[in-house]
Parts: sequence; C-alpha cells; structure tokens
Amino acid sequence: DVKVTQSSRYLVKRTGEKVFLECVQDMDHENMFWYRQDPGLGLRLIYFSYDVKMKEKGDIPEGYSVSREKKERFSLILESASTNQTSMYLCASSSGRGPYEQYFGPGTRLTVT
Amino acid sequence: KNEVEQSPQNLTAQEGEFITINCSYSVGISALHWLQQHPGGGIVSLFMLSSGKKKHGRLIATINIQEKHSSLHITASHPRDSAVYICAVDYGGATNKLIFGTGTLLAVQP
Repeated sequence: DVKVTQSSRYLVKRTGEKVFLECVQDMDHENMFWYRQDPGLGLRLIYFSYDVKMKEKGDIPEGYSVSREKKERFSLILESASTNQTSMYLCASSSGRGPYEQYFGPGTRLTVT
Repeated sequence: KNEVEQSPQNLTAQEGEFITINCSYSVGISALHWLQQHPGGGIVSLFMLSSGKKKHGRLIATINIQEKHSSLHITASHPRDSAVYICAVDYGGATNKLIFGTGTLLAVQP
C-alpha cells in the first residue's frame, strides 16, 4: 500500500514564525503536491513538484515556498506565518504523467495565533 | 466561480436509502476522480474514471462525457458512509494537477 506521511497532525505557531511542514511518500512517486483545505473553498493547490528539485506554483503560492531535495520528501515552508494561513494542509503524491490517482497524507491542522 | 460544481452541498439520508451525489465541470477532461474524507481523516480515492461506469462494492460512479457530468451512487447506505465526498477533475497535461469541487457532506442516520 502507498503510504504518505506528514510530520505533524496538529501544529500551533505564532504570527511571524517560520513553519516547516514535511511530507514523505514511500512509493517512488514522481509527483508531489501541497494543498490547503478551507471550509466552503475545497482543496486548493499551493505548489507541486514533478521531480527532484523541480517545482511549480499552484493556484495560491503567495506566502509559501517548497523544497524537494529527495524524491520521497516534499517540504512546505511558511516563511512568516500569518493568521490567514490557519488551515488544514494536505500532501499528496502520484505516479508519472497523468492521469493517475493521487494518494493523500493524513493532513496537518495548522493554527497561527 | 469553481470550475467543478457539486450538488447537493449537504445531504442527510436514512440508513438503507439510495444516495446520489452529482458533479459537473466546464470543459473537456482526461479523468474525473471521486474522493472520500471522513471527519478528521485523510482523503481516500474511491474512483478514477474517464468514461462509462465503475463499481466497487456498494459504490457506483458514472460519467457522461458529452454532458460533462458525473454521479456517485451509494446503494443500501450505512452510517459508516457518513463523510465528505469530493469530485475532482484532471484537465490533462503532464503533471496530474486536479481541480476540486467543494465537497458534499453526507450524514447517514441509523
């Protein structure tokens, strides 16, 4: 079974802090994605990566950056957390060049106070 | 305006009822996904389809490419089916990006 894990289920940070969210997948997938999920808005793509060191902006990249130094690991970085970044963050991965199923991690609920 | 529209947004059913959730999209797609999210839980892929119909247990997904519409059916619903059901479309291209609907919150009462 594909497994996608995220570093924390719940995280509370203060405004202005630098925040790292980590995602690891164990199926050698090429594609990895970071989404945020907000009530009434559904899932929105922040960034995705289709190969090591490759990244592309999604629909809402402002205030975020990403890093993919190894194929299995994709990190989301909030350079200076703000209260409007309070959300559920979900990582996903998929194989090759689509369409393929995406496999999701359990999510990190981030609260910025 | 979301390019993927789901209806209804909320649905309450009695155990045993037949349930239908609808999804419509605006332009041609390479595939459509149905996903399930239990409260506090991660998201699980139920189906990926590009034509016709797929069945898995009590769940059936259909898609009509000409009408740009898909339905998810649950037969003999059970309280454990209570979850958010999300439709997502892949508009093609090399990178497997998805556009998501806002989800349908289903509550099945015993």
